[in-house]
Amino acid sequence: AQTVTQSQPEMSVQEAETVTLSCTYDTSESDYYLFWYKQPPSRQMILVIRQEAYKQQNATENRFSVNFQKAAKSFSLKISDSQLGDAAMYFCAYSGGTSYGKLTFGQGTILTVHP
Amino acid sequence: GAGVSQSPSNKVTEKGKDVELRCDPISGHTALYWYRQSLGQGLEFLIYFQGNSAPDKSGLPSDRFSAERTGGSVSTLTIQRTQQEDSAVYLCASSPTSGNWNEQFFGPGTRLTVL
Repeated sequence: AQTVTQSQPEMSVQEAETVTLSCTYDTSESDYYLFWYKQPPSRQMILVIRQEAYKQQNATENRFSVNFQKAAKSFSLKISDSQLGDAAMYFCAYSGGTSYGKLTFGQGTILTVHP
Repeated sequence: GAGVSQSPSNKVTEKGKDVELRCDPISGHTALYWYRQSLGQGLEFLIYFQGNSAPDKSGLPSDRFSAERTGGSVSTLTIQRTQQEDSAVYLCASSPTSGNWNEQFFGPGTRLTVL
């Protein structure tokens, strides 16, 4: 079975600084996708960024980028120029094989942004 | 356009009662997923629908849980004889198709409290 682990229950960052959230996963599948979702206090999950496992190039979306290390099964999220609106719970998620797109989530990391 | 909506937003019930949770996906989305978010178990998959069929029910925790989807649209998650351990936030998500790459669009969830 696939597992996703986020080892940082909480992280904090100063506004305008950079923070990195960690995620590791375990799978025996060769074809899979990795995601970072953000959950603000409103509870509504929002996709931040996604990565295809067969692509070596790291995905980027504006201030958000990932460091995907396939051999190490590591998928960290870097947030640059942090903003107050980035404060939320962040979930790393996996989807692969014949799972019909269902997501396996990590435990989540609460990110606090200090002004 | 309208996003995924869920009702009720909050539900308080007594142990042993039945509850129904509703999800209205984005129009035209054929894939629909239910997840449960609780303090002890994190975010876990419950059931997946493709159209009105449920090819994957592997996450339903017991036979007290059931779900249906009608007209390829609205889905209802029913919990019979609720127990205190059923207290959680129930999230619904929809996607245009069931591919592993697809972004899932989440509703705001229903917070269920079983007294």
